[in-house]
Amino acid sequence: AQTVTQSQPEMSVQEAETVTLSCTYDTSESDYYLFWYKQPPSRQMILVIRQEAYKQQNATENRFSVNFQKAAKSFSLKISDSQLGDAAMYFCAYKTNNFNKFYFGSGTKLNVKP
Amino acid sequence: NAGVTQTPKFRILKIGQSMTLQCTQDMNHNYMYWYRQDPGMGLKLIYYSVGAGITDKGEVPNGYNVSRSTTEDFPLRLELAAPSQTSVYFCASMGGSRETQYFGPGTRLLVL
Repeated sequence: AQTVTQSQPEMSVQEAETVTLSCTYDTSESDYYLFWYKQPPSRQMILVIRQEAYKQQNATENRFSVNFQKAAKSFSLKISDSQLGDAAMYFCAYKTNNFNKFYFGSGTKLNVKP
Repeated sequence: NAGVTQTPKFRILKIGQSMTLQCTQDMNHNYMYWYRQDPGMGLKLIYYSVGAGITDKGEVPNGYNVSRSTTEDFPLRLELAAPSQTSVYFCASMGGSRETQYFGPGTRLLVL
């Protein structure tokens, strides 16, 4: 089974600054999808950004961007111009190409300081 | 278009009781999933379905059962509830593009 590792249980960033959350994964597949989800205190899972493994270009969504290093099996999330509303748990997830099963990391709690 | 809905929002069960967590989606998605999220942890896949009549086990299926008689509904059955099943349960669905899951709001279950 695939494993997804988030090595930073908690991080803090000053409002308007930039922060990077780390994620590594283990797989033998060559084609797959990677995701970052945000979970605020409301518990709702919100998709932040996704990356298709066969695309070399890093995905971006407004202030959110990823650094996808396929050979290193690394998928970090960069949040620019951090806002108070960015404070939440962030989960990295992997979707298998076969069977479309998802595997989640243990999460990183992001604190944003005013 | 309600998306993915789950009922109940919160439930307290006694040890040994049984219950069914309901999940419905109105997006005509083929794929549906059940996850559990223990405190401070990520989501673990319990069961999933690739279409009506087809289900398969995920990472943590013990103590649970599912059925998928329609495209819209994917109920999760807990038999003989145990304290270890205290968790938040999320249902999700994914459509034909097979790229993104849509999550329900979750059901918080407490087994005492």
